[in-house]
Amino acid sequence: KAGVTQTPRYLIKTRGQQVTLSCSPISGHRSVSWYQQTPGQGLQFLFEYFSETQRNKGNFPGRFSGRQFSNSRSEMNVSTLELGDSALYLCASSPRQGAVYGYTFGSGTRLTVV
Amino acid sequence: GQQLNQSPQSMFIQEGEDVSMNCTSSSIFNTWLWYKQEPGEGPVLLIALYKAGELTSNGRLTAQFGITRKDSFLNISASIPSDVGIYFCAGQPTTSGTYKYIFGTGTRLKVLA
Repeated sequence: KAGVTQTPRYLIKTRGQQVTLSCSPISGHRSVSWYQQTPGQGLQFLFEYFSETQRNKGNFPGRFSGRQFSNSRSEMNVSTLELGDSALYLCASSPRQGAVYGYTFGSGTRLTVV
Repeated sequence: GQQLNQSPQSMFIQEGEDVSMNCTSSSIFNTWLWYKQEPGEGPVLLIALYKAGELTSNGRLTAQFGITRKDSFLNISASIPSDVGIYFCAGQPTTSGTYKYIFGTGTRLKVLA
């Protein structure tokens, strides 16, 4: 069974640009959550998508957005990048909304903003 | 953002030693999860706990859901070099109503052979 696939693995962008990250969940998993991981703040919840609808949202500015497609694949977009957006972005999938049995994480996309 | 208090932040131990780490919160949690993250990878689920007082093992790992529902503990027995990594606790607050998990700040474990 394939795991959670995130692309790309590494990305370098310039301040002010926008970026789109992709996540393919485990086959059959319908919930996809996104987390931002930084050394100073740890793992911070961005949002959760289930059945193509955003179900939960963390405390991030509107520059962070996402969507989920009918095949459960999800994308996350960050517009007007700032230096502080440099982080490891992790996608996690779960069979159902709420991840009662925990998530399966992807390997992440490491975004560097210069 | 909201985080759990996880301790210790880091620890060096000798191979073969037992390790203990814990996670505390001011809120009551429905679920506690323990993850391990190795360099360049995403966290991997080790143990999930769903009931106060529950004690669950996964090989050399044992975790407990605190009676007060505000804390959890992870023990690793007879540590080996491949136990190196960052261990995170994650909890699902009862009051959140949103199912999102809150993660601890992590315990960085280094094992000296």
